[in-house]
Amino acid sequence: DVKVTQSSRYLVKRTGEKVFLECVQDMDHENMFWYRQDPGLGLRLIYFSYDVKMKEKGDIPEGYSVSREKKERFSLILESASTNQTSMYLCASRSSDRSSYNEQFFGPGTRLTVL
Amino acid sequence: TQLLEQSPQFLSIQEGENLTVYCNSSSVFSSLQWYRQEPGEGPVLLVTVVTGGEVKKLKRLTFQFGDARKDSSLHITAAQPGDTGLYLCAPRSGGSYIPTFGRGTSLIVHP
Repeated sequence: DVKVTQSSRYLVKRTGEKVFLECVQDMDHENMFWYRQDPGLGLRLIYFSYDVKMKEKGDIPEGYSVSREKKERFSLILESASTNQTSMYLCASRSSDRSSYNEQFFGPGTRLTVL
Repeated sequence: TQLLEQSPQFLSIQEGENLTVYCNSSSVFSSLQWYRQEPGEGPVLLVTVVTGGEVKKLKRLTFQFGDARKDSSLHITAAQPGDTGLYLCAPRSGGSYIPTFGRGTSLIVHP
């Protein structure tokens, strides 16, 4: 059974703290993504990575950075958390094989609250 | 810039009713996916449609891709409480690498 796991389901942090959100996939996928999901705004892409050590900015990268040192792991970093980063964070992975029509596999999400 | 709209934004119905949700755009898509996100979970792929006019069925769910490949619909027959969730469309345009998601339709089916 394919799986994308995220390090925490719920996280509470204080303003100014450095926050690490970890995502691991076991499908040997090349591509990995970080989204945030807010009511009425849908899924917004923060960063994606199409291979190890490669990263590209998505639609809303400000205030975030990412790290992909190993193929199976994609980390999202909030350098200095702010209250407007309170949100649901979703990680996803997909194969780069075009014949798969690029199905994305999502983790269960991390609900982050910044106080 | 691609405009992607899903409607309705919210839908609250009784068990047994039928419903249709829509995904519309001004752009032509090479393919389109529908995902369902249940409360507290990540989205899960339901279907991918590729050909204009294509119709796919998944039990009580019927998916249609518009002839011009600019829109899609999802029809649910005899909705059940287990259908409750957020339905997201995710089109793909040509060689675009970056996935795009609509804002979704939030469906609640009351027993």
